[in-house]
Amino acid sequence: GNSVTQMEGPVTLSEEAFLTINCTYTATGYPSLFWYVQYPGEGLQLLLKATKADDKGSNKGFEATYRKETTSFHLEKGSVQVSDSAVYFCALSDLDTGRRALTFGSGTRLQVQP
Amino acid sequence: EAGVVQSPRYKIIEKKQPVAFWCNPISGHNTLYWYLQNLGQGPELLIRYENEEAVDDSQLPKDRFSAERLKGVDSTLKIQPAELGDSAVYLCASSLNQRDTQYFGPGTRLTVL
Repeated sequence: GNSVTQMEGPVTLSEEAFLTINCTYTATGYPSLFWYVQYPGEGLQLLLKATKADDKGSNKGFEATYRKETTSFHLEKGSVQVSDSAVYFCALSDLDTGRRALTFGSGTRLQVQP
Repeated sequence: EAGVVQSPRYKIIEKKQPVAFWCNPISGHNTLYWYLQNLGQGPELLIRYENEEAVDDSQLPKDRFSAERLKGVDSTLKIQPAELGDSAVYLCASSLNQRDTQYFGPGTRLTVL
């Protein structure tokens, strides 16, 4: 079946530091890949997505590249801000399997200190 | 454009009591999802609707959980009776169709005492 593995948190960084959150996946078909962000007390918000190999999703300074050869979709940001503190979820959607739901990783909490 | 609306945001009940959650999807979105999010974990699908039809409810514990989506718009998820282990966040999401991006509501945080 499908699965998503994320690095465990919390990840604690100082403001303006470089961020990488690792995400790898297992899928039977050719999934679309997503990063969602969950701010305290709020629902999940789509941060970025990529639908095929070598696609790069980007938004708000965050980037992730769909790497089929390494089955990875690592999230990066060059300079984090305190306002980026949240929980980040990697997810996949594999339409070929018939299940249209998202499969999520367990989430990585990011704490950015001033 | 309004996002996915859920109510209530918080609910505290005693075990064995019934509880219901309501979701209003984004206007025009045909696909509606209910997810369960346990503390420290990612969401997991409970049920997916295409219009008014439940097309994937394989993960819904049917002995105590039920859901409906009348007229293919709003949806209600019910638990009767609630158990301590049901304490979690219940998320509703919608998408234009089954292949489109899912948009999530703020969730309902349920605490069962």
